[in-house]
Amino acid sequence: EVQLVESGGGLVQPGGSLRLSCAASGFTFRTYAMNWVRQAPGKGLEWVSYISSSSATMYYADSVKGRFTISRDNAENSLYLQMNSLRAEDTAVYYCARDVNWGAFDNWGQGTMVTVSS
Amino acid sequence: DVVMTQSPLSLPVTLGQSASISCRSSQSLLYSDGDTYLNWFQQRPGQSPRRLIYKVSNRDSGVPDRFSGSGSGTDFTLKINGVEAEDVAIYYCMQGRHWPPYTFGQGTKLEI
Repeated sequence: EVQLVESGGGLVQPGGSLRLSCAASGFTFRTYAMNWVRQAPGKGLEWVSYISSSSATMYYADSVKGRFTISRDNAENSLYLQMNSLRAEDTAVYYCARDVNWGAFDNWGQGTMVTVSS
Repeated sequence: DVVMTQSPLSLPVTLGQSASISCRSSQSLLYSDGDTYLNWFQQRPGQSPRRLIYKVSNRDSGVPDRFSGSGSGTDFTLKINGVEAEDVAIYYCMQGRHWPPYTFGQGTKLEI
């Protein structure tokens, strides 16, 4: 069974940093691209970042470019999102999602909440 | 960026009734390989999103056959034949043709 388990969320002050993790199991992690998607409270889904299976390619939403860094460790079956210079508008539940191809996110984690507030 | 526009944003239905959700993209989602990269996701209250349909009309394993997807180019529809209580959720369309970025519709809230 495919499992994606996010962790690392919490309360952080504006301008602070946080590192999210996504632990994958039940599939051959190194063969799949992965994404982060977020959802602000009461709002819709927003794609945040993509990383290819080999880490050769990364993409970011304009709203996080230059502040967030996606990475992965295929030996540890883990996906990461380093978030710096956090803003109030980054407050959201962050989901990791497996990308079969062309955005067909076939499995999602349960999400981890990030709150940016003073 | 490709803009995805869903309608309606709120959809009150009666149990057993059919429901349709429209999704329109600002550019064609047809790729040169012949596939059209439009997905539908369901998010029940308090849960993570779940993929229902990929490439317009392919239903995921475990998704009841009362759910169906159709459309082409820029116009797509998710139909639920005989709504059940467990279908109460927000439904999102998402395009994977012109990326980055992947873009979602605003979501349609299905209410009984």
